[in-house]
Amino acid sequence: ILNVEQSPQSLHVQEGDSTNFTCSFPSSNFYALHWYRWETAKSPEALFVMTLNGDEKKKGRISATLNTKEGYSYLYIKGSQPEDSATYLCAFGHGGGTSYGKLTFGQGTILTVHP
Amino acid sequence: DTEVTQTPKHLVMGMTNKKSLKCEQHMGHRAMYWYKQKAKKPPELMFVYSYEKLSINESVPSRFSPECPNSSLLNLHLHALQPEDSALYLCASSQDRVAGAFYEQYFGPGTRLTVT
Repeated sequence: ILNVEQSPQSLHVQEGDSTNFTCSFPSSNFYALHWYRWETAKSPEALFVMTLNGDEKKKGRISATLNTKEGYSYLYIKGSQPEDSATYLCAFGHGGGTSYGKLTFGQGTILTVHP
Repeated sequence: DTEVTQTPKHLVMGMTNKKSLKCEQHMGHRAMYWYKQKAKKPPELMFVYSYEKLSINESVPSRFSPECPNSSLLNLHLHALQPEDSALYLCASSQDRVAGAFYEQYFGPGTRLTVT
């Protein structure tokens, strides 16, 4: 069983704070690491998909880094806004053989940004 | 149009009922997925269809029966469910199954199922 762990489970920050959270995954047989944002009553929305060790991706105030050798990814949010409140999920993308297309998700980090 | 739609939004069914969940996308994607998410747990993959053929079945009980009538539509037929099957059922799609690992998957908003 492949374990994808996220920490912290939840986070409360004030508007304007910068924050980051972690996703840990097995470093062997790595293919891809996905980050999704899931707002209440909406669909999960892809933020980033990273495949190469050392990848850094950025979308507005949100960025992510990837270390496949040690099996972790960080998601950073700069200057948090109330609209950033959501559950942030990472997922290990399986590749090879019969597993192509399979995503194994972490438990998620619930972010609440207080005005 | 990057939308995946799911109907119904909510469904309440008894253990002897038969019902179906529907998922639709018009992005030309050739891979479609069913996930199950229980409260405070991550989404778990149930089935993957690739080019309208079942590619992955994650040992899901036979009371869940998927169907892919065409490349845009994915159904999940439900029969003789148990209360522990109550969950949010999410549908997703991707360009193809390989792309689903290496590129983003597009998710619908889910169907909230309650089994009484």
